[in-house]
Amino acid sequence: QKEVEQNSGPLSVPEGAIASLNCTYSDRGSQSFFWYRQYSGKSPELIMSIYSNGDKEDGRFTAQLNKASQYVSLLIRDSQPSDSATYLCAVNSPGNQFYFGTGTSLTVIP
Amino acid sequence: DTGVSQDPRHKITKRGQNVTFRCDPISEHNRLYWYRQTLGQGPEFLTYFQNEAQLEKSRLLSDRFSAERPKGSFSTLEIQRTEQGDSAMYLCASSLNSARPLDEQYFGPGTRLTVT
Repeated sequence: QKEVEQNSGPLSVPEGAIASLNCTYSDRGSQSFFWYRQYSGKSPELIMSIYSNGDKEDGRFTAQLNKASQYVSLLIRDSQPSDSATYLCAVNSPGNQFYFGTGTSLTVIP
Repeated sequence: DTGVSQDPRHKITKRGQNVTFRCDPISEHNRLYWYRQTLGQGPEFLTYFQNEAQLEKSRLLSDRFSAERPKGSFSTLEIQRTEQGDSAMYLCASSLNSARPLDEQYFGPGTRLTVT
């Protein structure tokens, strides 16, 4: 079982819609959770971090964490074509090793 | 304030040669991480430093790989006797350790290694 699992997509949403990206993790001891955006040929860019159960909002982005279900998600409201990228979920496990999922490819259609 | 920098950005080498990459973290950051990323995959953790101490090393990391951070500032990653399977993007990230568990990491642009 992989430490972090994401649907690879591709996920397509029309411009202005809500994009929902999901991630599950295997280590219950994980404490911190991160979403990164990666454009083709570029390095990952931090979007959101969360470590408490519930929702955390930052502009058009909302991260949601449910530790009981070992689930973390990212909602992107009012999706824009510039949001088209691969979104990586990352988890900080005990021992401070970071595990990334394989990423979900998002395309926002104008 | 500049972000994380890596040098070189691209490296082409022949199989069997040694290569060394450098990473300069964000100046106040005391943690530094190395990752490897291949096409279609997420970054794979290799190792990390807190100041000059190497605290974790992936069990998947071959003995051909070694990393240093001698003065707790920049770091180098060396790959000896390169193999074609070493071809990948090598990413460096840094973070500021704090009492919170967040440890947000910021990535450099990466070094793309091609082994021919």
